[in-house]
Amino acid sequence: AQKITQTQPGMFVQEKEAVTLDCTYDTSDPSYGLFWYKQPSSGEMIFLIYQGSYDQQNATEGRYSLNFQKARKSANLVISASQLGDSAMYFCAMRAPSGGSYIPTFGRGTSLIVHP
Amino acid sequence: DAMVIQNPRYQVTQFGKPVTLSCSQTLNHNVMYWYQQKSSQAPKLLFHYYDKDFNNEADTPDNFQSRRPNTSFCFLDIRSPGLGDAAMYLCATSRGNSGRISADTQYFGPGTRLTVL
Repeated sequence: AQKITQTQPGMFVQEKEAVTLDCTYDTSDPSYGLFWYKQPSSGEMIFLIYQGSYDQQNATEGRYSLNFQKARKSANLVISASQLGDSAMYFCAMRAPSGGSYIPTFGRGTSLIVHP
Repeated sequence: DAMVIQNPRYQVTQFGKPVTLSCSQTLNHNVMYWYQQKSSQAPKLLFHYYDKDFNNEADTPDNFQSRRPNTSFCFLDIRSPGLGDAAMYLCATSRGNSGRISADTQYFGPGTRLTVL
């Protein structure tokens, strides 16, 4: 069965510093996709970044990058130059086959607070 | 801009009074999803539609039903809301590429926050 683990319930970072949010996953299938979403207090889940299991390079999207370590089954999100607006919940998710379906599995999330 | 729209943003209902939440999309995506999210928890999938094919998660209570009359709209019906159904309800869509399902990104609406009195 697929599983996503986010071990950090809460993280604090100073504005303009970089922060890493941890995500480990478990699947036995070689083909899978990993996603990160941001959820501000307003509630909307905002797609940030995607990494495919066969992608050779780490994904990057602006200030977001994904530190993909396949052998360790980790897909950590790195936010560079944190901004106050980055304060939110962050969810890691995975799509991998399960019973013929590719329904996404979400982690429990990490709450990030950016201090001025 | 193409988007996922949910109405209303806030819904208050009484215990046992049926309520319907709506979702519409202008992305022309094949797949639509309904999630329930309680405070400080991960979203929990209730149902999804691949086009008109309805897929119910095994642990979704019978109290929850869904309709997708066309590609653009999807509704969540809660027949007899209980206090435990108070939550944020998130609608999402994805393209539904049969070729690379693992890369099929979900796009979410702003959510409807349901309060049950």
